[in-house]
Amino acid sequence: GAVVSQHPSRVICKSGTSVKIECRSLDFQATTMFWYRQFPKQSLMLMATSNEGSKATYEQGVEKDKFLINHASLTLSTLTVTSAHPEDSSFYICSAGTSGGTSSYNEQFFGPGTRLTVL
Amino acid sequence: AQSVSQHNHHVILSEAASLELGCNYSYGGTVNLFWYVQYPGQHLQLLLKYFSGDPLVKGIKGFEAEFIKSKFSFNLRKPSVQWSDTAEYFCAVTARSGGYQKVTFGTGTKLQVIP
Repeated sequence: GAVVSQHPSRVICKSGTSVKIECRSLDFQATTMFWYRQFPKQSLMLMATSNEGSKATYEQGVEKDKFLINHASLTLSTLTVTSAHPEDSSFYICSAGTSGGTSSYNEQFFGPGTRLTVL
Repeated sequence: AQSVSQHNHHVILSEAASLELGCNYSYGGTVNLFWYVQYPGQHLQLLLKYFSGDPLVKGIKGFEAEFIKSKFSFNLRKPSVQWSDTAEYFCAVTARSGGYQKVTFGTGTKLQVIP
């Protein structure tokens, strides 16, 4: 299957700083990338959907000014957690998929996740 | 808005036992359905998917799932589990919402297989 990488795998930062997480599709072009947050012992919560070249669509309750998403190319999306606070500590997972217009949506390929710890 | 519910949060089975994990969704339109698995320390992997056609779909590692439209269900089954099936299983649904594909995951079911 297709490979999606995330960098960094773990990051520890001080409260108030910003952290950028990269998501790359290594061997395919991803028209759509998704960012999830996974709390301990809970399911993935979709944060936002980003399509290459357009603004991300955020889920209800997700602050777009706090979680900045950029999908600059078909192989790279970034999530920047701005002015991080301890409550932002979580496991962030991206996925990449191909979907086009009205065509059927294909499967998503998941990255390994990034563990963010805000002190 | 679509939603997905997985009623079994934690399932413990002995090896060779049969498995059925429930998944129900709510959405009035056309959906695509998925089961993902997350083995300990690993990231999510696709087990199987349903887009259209035969409602009984077969996936990897002997898993299968049946889409029953009238019941809005997509239960996962395996006739005989192995210790290596110990993992967390997530049901997911995608549907078009506001011009883009929206993905919703269930809360997951932790499966523990005892040797």
